Amino acid sequence: AQKVTQAQTEISVVEKEDVTLDCVYETRDTTYYLFWYKQPPSGELVFLIRRNSFDEQNEISGRYSWNFQKSTSSFNFTITASQVVDSAVYFCALSEVGTSYGKLTFGQGTILTVHP
Amino acid sequence: SAVISQKPSRDICQRGTSLTIQCQVDSQVTMMFWYRQQPGQSLTLIATANQGSEATYESGFVIDKFPISRPNLTFSTLTVSNMSPEDSSIYLCSVKIPASSYEQYFGPGTRLTVT
Repeated sequence: AQKVTQAQTEISVVEKEDVTLDCVYETRDTTYYLFWYKQPPSGELVFLIRRNSFDEQNEISGRYSWNFQKSTSSFNFTITASQVVDSAVYFCALSEVGTSYGKLTFGQGTILTVHP
Repeated sequence: SAVISQKPSRDICQRGTSLTIQCQVDSQVTMMFWYRQQPGQSLTLIATANQGSEATYESGFVIDKFPISRPNLTFSTLTVSNMSPEDSSIYLCSVKIPASSYEQYFGPGTRLTVT
């Protein structure tokens, strides 16, 4: 069975600090997809990134970067120079290709608070 | 991506009643999903709704409690039946765009409080 673990329940930083959110996953499939979503206080789930299991290149998008390492089954998310608007709950999720309908299994989420 | 809307955005209901949540997408999609997020918790898949077939429910969720309709490729409803306070959650619909990819987008959610 697939599983996603976000060990950090809450993180608190001061604006402009860098912060890394950890995500560790378990799956028996060799082909799968990993996702990060942001959930601001409004409750809407905002798609940030999708990565497939064959692409281990790190990705950078503005202040966001993602580090995918299959050897350690991790898909960590770093926010550089954090801002107050980054305060939200961040979810890591996994979808196995073998599951015909692409069910997403979510981690428990990390609450990020960025203080001014 | 896709524009997904849900109605209602929030509601307060009495126990024992039922609420139907609507999900509308601005493009045709094969697969739609319904998730539940209990207060302070992560998201859990309730069921998958494909047009033209019966919804597929996850373990712990049953059709009598959460009947789902999928009348066409842009619309779905989820009904929360015979509600109790434990049903107080955010209910989110999600779509897979396009059907062959694994990008999933979520609606804004419906905040349900059962008193």
